[in-house]
Amino acid sequence: QVQLQESGPGLVRPSETLSLTCSLSGGSVSFYYWSWVRQPAGKGLEWIGQIYARGSTKYNPSLKSRVTMSVDESKNQFYLRLTSVTAADTAVYYCAKGVIYFEAWGQGTPVTVSS
Amino acid sequence: EIVLTQSPGTLSLSPGERATLSCRASQSVSSSNLAWYQQKPGQAPRLLIHDTSSRASGIPQRFRGSGSGTDFTLTISRLEPEDFAVYYCQQSGSSANTFGGGTKVEIK
Repeated sequence: QVQLQESGPGLVRPSETLSLTCSLSGGSVSFYYWSWVRQPAGKGLEWIGQIYARGSTKYNPSLKSRVTMSVDESKNQFYLRLTSVTAADTAVYYCAKGVIYFEAWGQGTPVTVSS
Repeated sequence: EIVLTQSPGTLSLSPGERATLSCRASQSVSSSNLAWYQQKPGQAPRLLIHDTSSRASGIPQRFRGSGSGTDFTLTISRLEPEDFAVYYCQQSGSSANTFGGGTKVEIK
């Protein structure tokens, strides 16, 4: 069963770019869909977007102008870039397997946007 | 974008009781595109139900999903101590996936 692990800086300054990595073990990033979901402290879940290993993407319309997702099959990883961050982007960020529903999740990585 | 509204916000019940959680969509959702998750403090969400009524691997039979169109329900037949948590519904639409605001099931 695939396991996912997020990694990246826990602190990002306002207006800068948030970059996160999701590393897979026990499965291949190829031939499947992968997603990012975030959750501000004490609040609900927000879908950020999805990517297929061969490169097709779909993003949340509310974030679309700032989001880029990519995959590196050689490293068995996929990535999230979120530009021009503000305090509103402070949240726990999860990577997940799936697109219609999310059958496996990483443990989450907290990201704080602050100067 | 389809908005999902969950009710009640909080459900106070005792172990052994039946829990009924509601998820209402702002427009019709395909039955194959509705899922439920359980989240405990400090943990990632866990998939319980997909395709409205199909239990995910390892999920006990006391969890049952039902519904169609704009009204969906998660029923926990007899609450076990480990079932006290927050539950989210989620739909997959053509433009975006969205989650409901969650229902917290707490011990009465």
